[in-house]
Amino acid sequence: SQTIHQWPATLVQPVGSPLSLECTVEGTSNPNLYWYRQAAGRGLQLLFYSVGIGQISSEVPQNLSASRPQDRQFILSSKKLLLSDSGFYLCAWCPSSGGVPQYFGPGTRLLVL
Amino acid sequence: GNSVTQMEGPVTLSEEAFLTINCTYTATGYPSLFWYVQYPGEGLQLLLKATKADDKGSNKGFEATYRKETTSFHLEKGSVQVSDSAVYFCALIQGGSEKLVFGKGTKLTVNP
Repeated sequence: SQTIHQWPATLVQPVGSPLSLECTVEGTSNPNLYWYRQAAGRGLQLLFYSVGIGQISSEVPQNLSASRPQDRQFILSSKKLLLSDSGFYLCAWCPSSGGVPQYFGPGTRLLVL
Repeated sequence: GNSVTQMEGPVTLSEEAFLTINCTYTATGYPSLFWYVQYPGEGLQLLLKATKADDKGSNKGFEATYRKETTSFHLEKGSVQVSDSAVYFCALIQGGSEKLVFGKGTKLTVNP
């Protein structure tokens, strides 16, 4: 069966510091991968998605970036965090045949101080 | 563009009460529809889905029917439990698209 992992689970970072969040999927090949952010009172916002190694689509312009160095690894990064980057970051995957449905990881809670 | 509208929360019920969370959508063509649940501090879990008109998705006592004529996918449960307290998200995906479109979520609290 497929499983999705995210780490760290919780992170507290100062403003201006770098960020790296990691997501890995097991038990499947060539998945579509997604990064979402859930900020308080704002619902789910799609940040990036990837349909293959090195292929990244950005949905929202911001100071975050994403990379997919391996088939089942998806990384969310920032060079300098802002206070507004605080939130709950969720990674998701679905089969490459189409997004029906998407399966979510446990999330990373990020607090920028 | 595609969009999902779900009832504003929060919703507070007593145990064994009947639950309805309304969800309507706007989409071109025939999307697939989903309900996700998020328990406190956790990621989203797929609760149920329906991929074509008149399909009924069901899981853990929850049901939702894909109503094309009213563009709705309302979530129902006959008797809620305290353990059902969570945030519920309605979502759709258009055929051929890579992206889920979510509603804003409805927080449900069930009191004993």
